[in-house]
Amino acid sequence: GIQVEQSPPDLILQEGANSTLRCNFSDSVNNLQWFHQNPWGQLINLFYIPSGTKQNGRLSATTVATERYSLLYISSSQTTDSGVYFCAVETRRDSNYQLIWGAGTKLIIKP
Amino acid sequence: KAGVTQTPRYLIKTRGQQVTLSCSPISGHRSVSWYQQTPGQGLQFLFEYFSETQRNKGNFPGRFSGRQFSNSRSEMNVSTLELGDSALYLCASSSGQRAYEQYFGPGTRLTVT
Repeated sequence: GIQVEQSPPDLILQEGANSTLRCNFSDSVNNLQWFHQNPWGQLINLFYIPSGTKQNGRLSATTVATERYSLLYISSSQTTDSGVYFCAVETRRDSNYQLIWGAGTKLIIKP
Repeated sequence: KAGVTQTPRYLIKTRGQQVTLSCSPISGHRSVSWYQQTPGQGLQFLFEYFSETQRNKGNFPGRFSGRQFSNSRSEMNVSTLELGDSALYLCASSSGQRAYEQYFGPGTRLTVT
């Protein structure tokens, strides 16, 4: 089946720093999503981005589907950005769609 | 719109017992998916229900089962609990068929002792 790899696994930054998180996938996908899981476990949808670039405030994401990777950029990090960032790709098996998840990047922003 | 709700939020059970978790999707959403999250295995898909029918299933043993009611609320049951079932169980609801449209609840943290 499709493999989803995220890097780096852990990242510790000072408040105000910028960061880039990467997601590689092993096969063509229907689409890709980025999620943020806060320290209390809540998963929040950040971007649905099968291709191209999107921006939302300090966060932006780029997916290059032909090269099978996606990048999540976080600028001017704040302590509230701490948590785990997951990418998940949508694949289709028979007539059903399913999300395949990466292992996540754990981000810690120090004040 | 109210978000996805899950009850209970925390649960402690002993080995051999069974447990039932509940998920209420966003109003109007007909699909509910369940995931297990553990530090060692990450996020793993359990199953998905759509219009009261199981539409998709992950690779979990038969001890894990679920159902969906006519109001789209879903329950997940785990029988004969094992220590390894300790995890955060997440429920996600979706309005349609596509997986990317999922919105997650806060989760139920199950501890098996």
